[in-house]
Amino acid sequence: QKEVEQDPGPLSVPEGAIVSLNCTYSNSAFQYFMWYRQYSRKGPELLMYTYSSGNKEDGRFTAQVDKSSKYISLFIRDSQPSDSATYLCATTMVGGNKLTFGTGTQLKVEL
Amino acid sequence: GAGVSQSPSNKVTEKGKDVELRCDPISGHTALYWYRQSLGQGLEFLIYFQGNSAPDKSGLPSDRFSAERTGGSVSTLTIQRTQQEDSAVYLCASRSPTRGFGNTIYFGEGSWLTVV
Repeated sequence: QKEVEQDPGPLSVPEGAIVSLNCTYSNSAFQYFMWYRQYSRKGPELLMYTYSSGNKEDGRFTAQVDKSSKYISLFIRDSQPSDSATYLCATTMVGGNKLTFGTGTQLKVEL
Repeated sequence: GAGVSQSPSNKVTEKGKDVELRCDPISGHTALYWYRQSLGQGLEFLIYFQGNSAPDKSGLPSDRFSAERTGGSVSTLTIQRTQQEDSAVYLCASRSPTRGFGNTIYFGEGSWLTVV
């Protein structure tokens, strides 16, 4: 079993929809949680970063962590075609040196 | 430069040949990572360098893989006797020494390796 599980998709939604992307993890020692966005043939770029449980909002994006169920979510409101990309969740422990990634979910927002 | 720079951006090599991939991190970043991204497999950790400390090599998949970091800056990932299963995108990332983990790690655009 992988430490971080993520549905690879693809997920196709109409423009303006609310998108929900999710990951589960198995190691309760993970404390930092991140979402990266990766456009085709580009490197991942950091979107959101949260520590421990709770919500964090940045514009149209909301990251949510539920440590009791080991569940990570990213919500995208008013989705745009420019949001079409692969979204990767990642996590690490306090003092950890490396990020553990999910496989990524491919999202397509259609006009 | 402004970001993490990787070269070559694309490399096609014959099975059995050696390849070298280069990473130039953001100036001042003391931590450097190599990850591998295969189709449908997500990002796989390979190796981590932090300053002058011994590198964390725990992710290297075999002894055909090695990496070095000279002068605390540029890093080279070497794959010897390449195999077709080595075909992947090799991503380098660097992190500043400031506090906070996730908001200070930056990836390059990757080196796309194809072994034929």
